[in-house]
Amino acid sequence: DVKVTQSSRYLVKRTGEKVFLECVQDMDHENMFWYRQDPGLGLRLIYFSYDVKMKEKGDIPEGYSVSREKKERFSLILESASTNQTSMYLCASSLLGIEQFFGPGTRLTVL
Amino acid sequence: RKEVEQDPGPFNVPEGATVAFNCTYSNSASQSFFWYRQDCRKEPKLLMSVYSSGNEDGRFTAQLNRASQYISLLIRDSKLSDSATYLCVVNINTGRRALTFGSGTRLQVQP
Repeated sequence: DVKVTQSSRYLVKRTGEKVFLECVQDMDHENMFWYRQDPGLGLRLIYFSYDVKMKEKGDIPEGYSVSREKKERFSLILESASTNQTSMYLCASSLLGIEQFFGPGTRLTVL
Repeated sequence: RKEVEQDPGPFNVPEGATVAFNCTYSNSASQSFFWYRQDCRKEPKLLMSVYSSGNEDGRFTAQLNRASQYISLLIRDSKLSDSATYLCVVNINTGRRALTFGSGTRLQVQP
């Protein structure tokens, strides 16, 4: 079974803090994705990566950056957290870019 | 206009009922289509792919109408365990491996 894990299920941070969200997959998938999910807006793509050290902006990259130093790990960074970044963050991986396997999500609250 | 649109519901149906969801997509260049299922407070998981010829998996039938740019999901003999949010997902083949998600249709099957 594909397993995608995320470093935290719940996280509370203060405005202006730097936040790291970690995602690890164990299936040697090339493609990894970060989404945020908000009520009524569905999943929106923040960034994705199709190879180590490669990254591409998604639909809403502003205020975020990513890092992929190893194939199995894809990190999302909030350089200076703001209250409008309070959301559910979902990481996913895929082999051929079709079926995506999701992690359990991190519910981030920025106060 | 959203790229993938769904009726958010909720659809409240009794056990044993047949229920259908539709989804429309705006980009005629879309190549691949899927239905994902998301249980409350869980991550999305692939339910089924949608093929041009239509496809069936047990009680679930998915259809694609390219001319009208919509996808449908039919659930027969609804079970309590079918209660979830159903996400319509499209791959717009612009070279990106990312998927575009609808915001979901919530189904509540009642005893």
